[in-house]
Amino acid sequence: DTGVSQNPRHKITKRGQNVTFRCDPISEHNRLYWYRQTLGQGPEFLTYFQNEAQLEKSRLLSDRFSAERPKGSFSTLEIQRTEQGDSAMYLCAVGGGSTDTQYFGPGTRLTVL
Amino acid sequence: AQTVTQSQPEMSVQEAETVTLSCTYDTSESDYYLFWYKQPPSRQMILVIRQEAYKQQNATENRFSVNFQKAAKSFSLKISDSQLGDAAMYFCAVDGYALNFGKGTSLLVTP
Repeated sequence: DTGVSQNPRHKITKRGQNVTFRCDPISEHNRLYWYRQTLGQGPEFLTYFQNEAQLEKSRLLSDRFSAERPKGSFSTLEIQRTEQGDSAMYLCAVGGGSTDTQYFGPGTRLTVL
Repeated sequence: AQTVTQSQPEMSVQEAETVTLSCTYDTSESDYYLFWYKQPPSRQMILVIRQEAYKQQNATENRFSVNFQKAAKSFSLKISDSQLGDAAMYFCAVDGYALNFGKGTSLLVTP
């Protein structure tokens, strides 16, 4: 148990719909990361938060994507007007501290029909 | 920009044998961390081992050890006494402000 839960675990949606994913760290972590993983690939960085501040965003994060971490604890990732290319596993990770180790949640698998 | 290359898409090992997974990377940082993560089928990413670049001593964690060659920017993972439960995708990663991952190596363990 890495102390990170993600909901929902699976989401099937139709193209053009909006979806929102949630990441809940069980314990406090300064940093929270979102990654996207497509089949046969390693995870790709999307964005990260230091407490409630969003510090970095990847060019992969188009304007249809938005992430928040309102109180520096849980985080949400919203995708508007989903496209089939958004189908992927969305991973949340927490970490920080002197070793920079990140611990991953189980992910949310998104399928856009 | 950081890049990570895992040149072995698939590897196979027999139970109880030893296998080495390769990883090379490129980074402009002078101090950084390197990681190996394991991702079993349909399960979450698990940290296997971590190496601090400023430490010359290779990290070990039970049956898992690394061969870290900083000048060559090489970071291979050795799994000794392989077990069926070691079957998974293995990802090498280097940290920047986030982790940069390779494409992974699929490890098959045969009885």
